[in-house]
Amino acid sequence: QSALTQPPSASGSPGQSVTISCTGTSSDYVSWYQQHPGKAPKLMIYEVNKRPSGVPYRFSGSKSGNTASMTVSGLLAEDEADYYCTSYAGHTDWVVFGGGTKLTVL
Amino acid sequence: QVRIQESGPGLVKPSETLSLTCTVSGASVSDHWWSWIRQTPGKGLEWIAYIFYTGITHYNPSLRSRVTISVDTSKNQVSLSLTSVTAADAAVYYCARHFIESGGGGYSYWFDPWGQGTQVTVSS
Repeated sequence: QSALTQPPSASGSPGQSVTISCTGTSSDYVSWYQQHPGKAPKLMIYEVNKRPSGVPYRFSGSKSGNTASMTVSGLLAEDEADYYCTSYAGHTDWVVFGGGTKLTVL
Repeated sequence: QVRIQESGPGLVKPSETLSLTCTVSGASVSDHWWSWIRQTPGKGLEWIAYIFYTGITHYNPSLRSRVTISVDTSKNQVSLSLTSVTAADAAVYYCARHFIESGGGGYSYWFDPWGQGTQVTVSS
């Protein structure tokens, strides 16, 4: 399976909502990660729409067809980061990542 | 709280073998799956391999011929070996706990937590 497709960039003003897409997943399940510069990725969403303990309610996930999306509501300056999606890619490739989306809070 | 710490040589010469270690605390390596993932500025995140302590392993097809992942339950560590390295293998290498669930829609994979990563430079 080819890499998942994400827009290279997204932006929004504080308080607004931004949605990042992830296209090309053949699996029903997608997870999302936030990465600040120089830091390790952090799990934000798993199994499409579940949030780990400690992740704000402002982060939500959905999926329609072969496109998954993560929405960040009520944007805060601290949400400015890179975001990656990933999913199971079948019994040959096993794991596939998206190319990442740089979210800018204006 | 699960903590993961990667360690490695930092600098490796071309054609040599890279050996990395992931030390886990707060969880037993026998209770979970574990993955190695690397990140380069040009290629983003790339999954390398994952393992269960029983010896079940899966590899990225593009790296399979050069990679070996292993678990040492006595030390609670996960290791990665990458042979014949080139400049293309320069990256930050992460170790992560890998969750796998089987549901009605197939397999669900996610990684949590990740270690801080270890930078690998390939140069003579």
